[in-house]
Amino acid sequence: GDSVTQMEGPVTLSEEAFLTINCTYTATGYPSLFWYVQYPGEGLQLLLKATKADDKGSNKGFEATYRKETTSFHLEKGSVQVSDSAVYFCALSGTSYGKLTFGQGTILTVHP
Amino acid sequence: SAVISQKPSRDICQRGTSLTIQCQVDSQVTMMFWYRQQPGQSLTLIATANQGSEATYESGFVIDKFPISRPNLTFSTLTVSNLSPEDSSIYLCSVRSGGLSYEQYFGPGTRLTVT
Repeated sequence: GDSVTQMEGPVTLSEEAFLTINCTYTATGYPSLFWYVQYPGEGLQLLLKATKADDKGSNKGFEATYRKETTSFHLEKGSVQVSDSAVYFCALSGTSYGKLTFGQGTILTVHP
Repeated sequence: SAVISQKPSRDICQRGTSLTIQCQVDSQVTMMFWYRQQPGQSLTLIATANQGSEATYESGFVIDKFPISRPNLTFSTLTVSNLSPEDSSIYLCSVRSGGLSYEQYFGPGTRLTVT
């Protein structure tokens, strides 16, 4: 079945540091890939998406590229802010009806 | 994107009782989903709710424990029955966007604590 694996967390960075959160997946066919973010006490928000190989999703300074050859969708940001502190979930949708399969989530804490 | 609301936002329930969670969307949608997020864990799909048909449950989830209603294209309820402390979780509903990207938009969640 489909699965998503994220890098072990939590991740702690200083403000303006470079962020990478690794995500790899297993799926049949050509899934769509997503990053969701969950700020403290809030629901999930879609951060970015990519629907086919080599697509780059981007939003709020975050980027991720759909790499089919390595089955990866790593999240990056060049300069993190304290307000980026949240839990980040990588997810895929590989079925015709759109079920999402989530990774385990990565807690990001950014210190001033 | 759709605007989704859930009621209640949180509740504390006694074991053996039930809690019904409401999910309201500001537009008509075909597919709605219910997820569970256990403390410190990721999200797990409970079931898919389509209007006019029975909900489709994922492995490990049964209708007797998690009955779902979907009376129209903007509303759904999830009931968590015969509560035990292991049911303490955040329950989220989501809707699928139109088009081919299968992105989903989530409600704010209902935080359930069972004592």
